[in-house]
Amino acid sequence: GAVVSQHPSRVICKSGTSVKIECRSLDFQATTMFWYRQFPKQSLMLMATSNEGSKATYEQGVEKDKFLINHASLTLSTLTVTSAHPEDSSFYICSARFRDRANEKLFFGSGTQLSVL
Amino acid sequence: AQSVTQPDIHITVSEGASLELRCNYSYGATPYLFWYVQSPGQGLQLLLKYFSGDTLVQGIKGFEAEFKRSQSSFNLRKPSVHWSDAAEYFCAVGAGGFKTIFGAGTRLFVKA
Repeated sequence: GAVVSQHPSRVICKSGTSVKIECRSLDFQATTMFWYRQFPKQSLMLMATSNEGSKATYEQGVEKDKFLINHASLTLSTLTVTSAHPEDSSFYICSARFRDRANEKLFFGSGTQLSVL
Repeated sequence: AQSVTQPDIHITVSEGASLELRCNYSYGATPYLFWYVQSPGQGLQLLLKYFSGDTLVQGIKGFEAEFKRSQSSFNLRKPSVHWSDAAEYFCAVGAGGFKTIFGAGTRLFVKA
């Protein structure tokens, strides 16, 4: 089946630095990818919808200048957490939408645990 | 190893009929359990969640799920399906407080 690779799986960084998370669809082209955030013991929260070749659509309350999303190709979307602070520590997960004439399905990455010191 | 299994890739139900979507998990401790729905063209929406307490959980849109520890299951149910329920449904397990493991999803088709 289709696979979505998310990298890195875990990252620890210093406050004030930037961190880039990659989400790749390995065997299909994904015109749309989604980025989610999850705090401990809570459900996923949609941060933004990433569309290939255009600007991402951010959910209300998500700072687009802090969470930069780039979807430059049909197989890669990146999320950059700029000037990270400890409150940005969270679990981030991406999903990629597969679509053909008969089917549409969502595949998930394995997630990235970000810890900001 | 931690895992989530949704045995049914797709299910077709007549409008007005009852629905049950199966979910089995493998996790060493007491899990946090979620059901999400993805409608075409949209991101995930949380239907319901179980953390502790009453094992029968009520969610939005008339859905409910029952946690059965002895069966390692968290099946999603709805007494009467509406055409607007056609979507893909994902069961997920919160593992260790941070990481979430998703099932492969079950596509629901609703026929008139």
